[in-house]
Amino acid sequence: DAGVTQSPTHLIKTRGQQVTLRCSPKSGHDTVSWYQQALGQGPQFIFQYYEEEERQRGNFPDRFSGHQFPNYSSELNVNALLLGDSALYLCASSFRGLMSTEAFFGQGTRLTVV
Amino acid sequence: SQELEQSPQSLIVQEGKNLTINCTSSKTLYGLYWYKQKYGEGLIFLMMLQKGGEEKSHEKITAKLDEKKQQSSLHITASQPSHAGIYLCGAADNAGGTSYGKLTFGQGTILTVHP
Repeated sequence: DAGVTQSPTHLIKTRGQQVTLRCSPKSGHDTVSWYQQALGQGPQFIFQYYEEEERQRGNFPDRFSGHQFPNYSSELNVNALLLGDSALYLCASSFRGLMSTEAFFGQGTRLTVV
Repeated sequence: SQELEQSPQSLIVQEGKNLTINCTSSKTLYGLYWYKQKYGEGLIFLMMLQKGGEEKSHEKITAKLDEKKQQSSLHITASQPSHAGIYLCGAADNAGGTSYGKLTFGQGTILTVHP
């Protein structure tokens, strides 16, 4: 079991550009959550996808959007990048069943906006 | 909205020493999750607590949720360099205590263990 995999691991973009980050959940998991972690801070919840729909959203602008595919993998898109978007982006997968327990996190994508 | 405050923000100890990290919530904790993170990497799940007074242990790490369910502590006994990293507490936002992947995190505690 490969666990949660994210790609790419590192990315450098220019202010104003658009970026797409990808996440493959752990086998058997159907829910994907995205987090932004700025340097020295705890992760901040961006949004969550289940059954190919956005189910919950944190306090992030519409520049942040996502998608979930039938195979449960997910993408995070950020438009009109700002310098402040530089952060570690984490994907977490979980199973939305009665016995749901902890979320499993990927290694993250380090985004640098210059 | 719920806020979690971790203390201390950073901790430097000598190998073999015991230490405690605290996580205090602005609201009742229904599900409290402890994770460990190596710098710049993903989060590794340590333990989940749901009941007031509940205590769980794994190897040399013990976590407890107080009776009033507004504070949790993580205790490491006889620390080792392998314990170094960032410790994060996260809270579920539903009364069932299950995160379904959505957590509110504290700011983290950076632990350094000198050999």
